[in-house]
Amino acid sequence: DVQMTQSPSNLAASPGESVSINCKASKSISKYLAWYQQKPGKANKLLIYSGSTLQSGTPSRFSGSGSGTDFTLTIRNLEPEDFGLYYCQQHNEYPWTFGGGTKLELK
Amino acid sequence: EVQLVESGGGLVQPGRSLKLSCAASGFTFSNYGMAWVRQAPTKGLEWVATISYDGSSTYYRDSVKGRFTISRDNAKSTLYLQMDSLRSEDTATYYCARHRKTNVMDAWGQGASVTVSS
Repeated sequence: DVQMTQSPSNLAASPGESVSINCKASKSISKYLAWYQQKPGKANKLLIYSGSTLQSGTPSRFSGSGSGTDFTLTIRNLEPEDFGLYYCQQHNEYPWTFGGGTKLELK
Repeated sequence: EVQLVESGGGLVQPGRSLKLSCAASGFTFSNYGMAWVRQAPTKGLEWVATISYDGSSTYYRDSVKGRFTISRDNAKSTLYLQMDSLRSEDTATYYCARHRKTNVMDAWGQGASVTVSS
């Protein structure tokens, strides 16, 4: 199975700041990396797939980069609604695997 | 609006069975593959199983193979997960999700809680 390692596990930032979350695959997954947001009481939300393609409805302040084994989610000009949990997922091969998650908290 | 609503969760003893349902609306259910993803308390997301749009192909994680069965009824726009021989480590919130050909899940339900305990 492809192991996905996310870092950092926790991140504190203020509205208006920019943050980056990293995801490393145990082997090459080409460009097939997705990012999801999880918030209490809301359905999980697909933000980005295939490394850098924004899902319809994802604000442009979100961006994804990387290929092979190393990927990054960047959020510029944080908005209050951006705080929550973020997960990466490789969608290159079964079993689909997720990173351990990054909790983005308000500083 | 795409909606996925899970039901059938609850408390069950180890070794017993439980069947989850996911009612879909707001899209043409028969055009999409579907998946179950779970999340144990305070843990991350874990993919469980996937079924193709027509039910002809299914995929499972190793730890549930032979115990869980994913199925669908396109006439009823409903996805199922039959869980047999349940173990304490199956305790989790189970999410139903729609997946695209790119193998990403672009719509999720709110989840159904399953607790396996004596």
